[in-house]
Amino acid sequence: GNSVTQMEGPVTLSEEAFLTINCTYTATGYPSLFWYVQYPGEGLQLLLKATKADDKGSNKGFEATYRKETTSFHLEKGSVQVSDSAVYFCALVYTGRRALTFGSGTRLQVQP
Amino acid sequence: EPEVTQTPSHQVTQMGQEVILRCVPISNHLYFYWYRQILGQKVEFLVSFYNNEISEKSEIFDDQFSVERPDGSNFTLKIRSTKLEDSAMYFCASSATAPQDTEAFFGQGTRLTVV
Repeated sequence: GNSVTQMEGPVTLSEEAFLTINCTYTATGYPSLFWYVQYPGEGLQLLLKATKADDKGSNKGFEATYRKETTSFHLEKGSVQVSDSAVYFCALVYTGRRALTFGSGTRLQVQP
Repeated sequence: EPEVTQTPSHQVTQMGQEVILRCVPISNHLYFYWYRQILGQKVEFLVSFYNNEISEKSEIFDDQFSVERPDGSNFTLKIRSTKLEDSAMYFCASSATAPQDTEAFFGQGTRLTVV
């Protein structure tokens, strides 16, 4: 079946450090891929998405590129801020389906 | 900014009791969902609802679960006879169209504790 695997957290970085959170998926066909973020005390929010191979999603300085050949959608940011501290979820969904399949989430802690 | 609201934020119930979790989706959305996250585990899909009927459900969503849209604004998840393993954070979500086309907006969640 479909699954999403994320690197385990927590990831602890200093402010202005480079961030990578790895995400790989196993799926048949070509799903749409997403990153959701959950700030403390809030619901999940869509951060960015990509719907086909080689697409790059970007938002708030975060980027992720849909890599079909490696079945990956790694999240990157060049310079993290304390306000980026949150839990980040990688997810996928197929055209015609309703269910988002989520990874287990990666907690990011950014220290000043 | 429109948001999905869930009540209560925390519910404690005894094993075997019925519980209803409530959600108010964004008003012009047509697709509604329930997900759950057991502590330390993945966010799991339970059910989607469109046009007043279930459009997709997971194997978790057995006969103990039901959903309803009793009026034009609320969307509820009922667990008929709760078990200890139903303890989890339950998230409601809604979207204007299918989730691969438009953003699914999530509520803050209801933490259900079954004792």
